[in-house]
Amino acid sequence: AQSVTQLDSQVPVFEEAPVELRCNYSSSVSVYLFWYVQYPNQGLQLLLKYLSGSTLVESINGFEAEFNKSQTSFHLRKPSVHISDTAEYFCAVSGLSSNTGKLIFGQGTTLQVKP
Amino acid sequence: DGGITQSPKYLFRKEGQNVTLSCEQNLNHDAMYWYRQDPGQGLRLIYYSQIVNDFQKGDIAEGYSVSREKKESFPLTVTSAQKNPTAFYLCASSRQGDGGYTFGSGTRLTVV
Repeated sequence: AQSVTQLDSQVPVFEEAPVELRCNYSSSVSVYLFWYVQYPNQGLQLLLKYLSGSTLVESINGFEAEFNKSQTSFHLRKPSVHISDTAEYFCAVSGLSSNTGKLIFGQGTTLQVKP
Repeated sequence: DGGITQSPKYLFRKEGQNVTLSCEQNLNHDAMYWYRQDPGQGLRLIYYSQIVNDFQKGDIAEGYSVSREKKESFPLTVTSAQKNPTAFYLCASSRQGDGGYTFGSGTRLTVV
């Protein structure tokens, strides 16, 4: 079984400052890892994912996340945030050996970008 | 363009009534999922289906029912047995083995 812990429920930050949203997971098998973003009253959108290969994955809008197997972490970072990045961010994990495709989600982190 | 359509966007239910939330996808995905979202609790899995005419309970299936008669459709019925149905409901689909979901835009259900 897998579990996901997002260590911060809310992260306030000023515009153009760097940000890190923390995610730790627990699993007895190898995993796929995901970050999703949710804007108010909308569904979730895939931001980036780690399936295999390079441990550093990037999104098209400047976010990146690094898979750290020894620390069982997949923290999301952005060097300079914009007001439009204000949203809720979810980390999720799926076991490689799972034949159900189920994703286990963290509790979410609300990123509040202030002008 | 392919995607997932959830309807309606907002739904109001009187206590004791059953309501059905629609979820349709044209992505040719095999697997479909229903999640419930409450503030501060993340997403909790209600039901999921990997193939037509088959589905499994998730973590909070009590008071809900589903059907999967067509690959494209996975409706969720919130029954009167669900004691606290007010929530945001999200439908998702995925290709087998891909691991990532495509989500619908959600249905907000309120009991009045």
